[in-house]
Amino acid sequence: AQSVTQPDIHITVSEGASLELRCNYSYGATPYLFWYVQSPGQGLQLLLKYFSGDTLVQGIKGFEAEFKRSQSSFNLRKPSVHWSDAAEYFCAVGPNTDKLIFGTGTRLQVFP
Amino acid sequence: GAGVSQSPRYKVAKRGQDVALRCDPISGHVSLFWYQQALGQGPEFLTYFQNEAQLDKSGLPSDRFFAERPEGSVSTLKIQRTQQEDSAVYLCASSSLLTGTGGSEQYFGPGTRLTVT
Repeated sequence: AQSVTQPDIHITVSEGASLELRCNYSYGATPYLFWYVQSPGQGLQLLLKYFSGDTLVQGIKGFEAEFKRSQSSFNLRKPSVHWSDAAEYFCAVGPNTDKLIFGTGTRLQVFP
Repeated sequence: GAGVSQSPRYKVAKRGQDVALRCDPISGHVSLFWYQQALGQGPEFLTYFQNEAQLDKSGLPSDRFFAERPEGSVSTLKIQRTQQEDSAVYLCASSSLLTGTGGSEQYFGPGTRLTVT
């Protein structure tokens, strides 16, 4: 079955620290992979996406993610977190851009 | 230009009432998607349209849920005889390319929070 697992429900980091949010997927074919961010009361905003090519993708707000086929992972990273990065982060997978399957999300809290 | 808008932003319904949730996609976007996001969960796919055609409604949880996009622009998600388990945020998204093609992204609206009492 197709699924996305985000093992960390809640992560807390200090402002300026590095960040890595984990995402593992189960998918029968080469998937399209996405990371979205959701702030309270807001819709989902796309941070970055992977379709093909270079496995290290750069996104907005200084985020990047690396596709590792052998590990079925697509972890999100940021070298230095800002207080404004506090939000809920969702990893998603799909056959293309249809019918995205989302993980349950990771809530990021940032301490000053 | 304007993003995806949804109305109402909040809706409280008594159990058994019918509700209608509206989505205005980005102008010119061909594809439109509906998702349901329960509290503490990720969004779950409900249905999608390509222009006015509903190509997939496999995610609709019951026959009480109905979606339409009659002119290929605005879409309405209708829930009949609401139940408490219908309480969730309903998200709408639109995309500029035909579904089944790569390279485009889904732009999400702010959602409608439905509470069934």
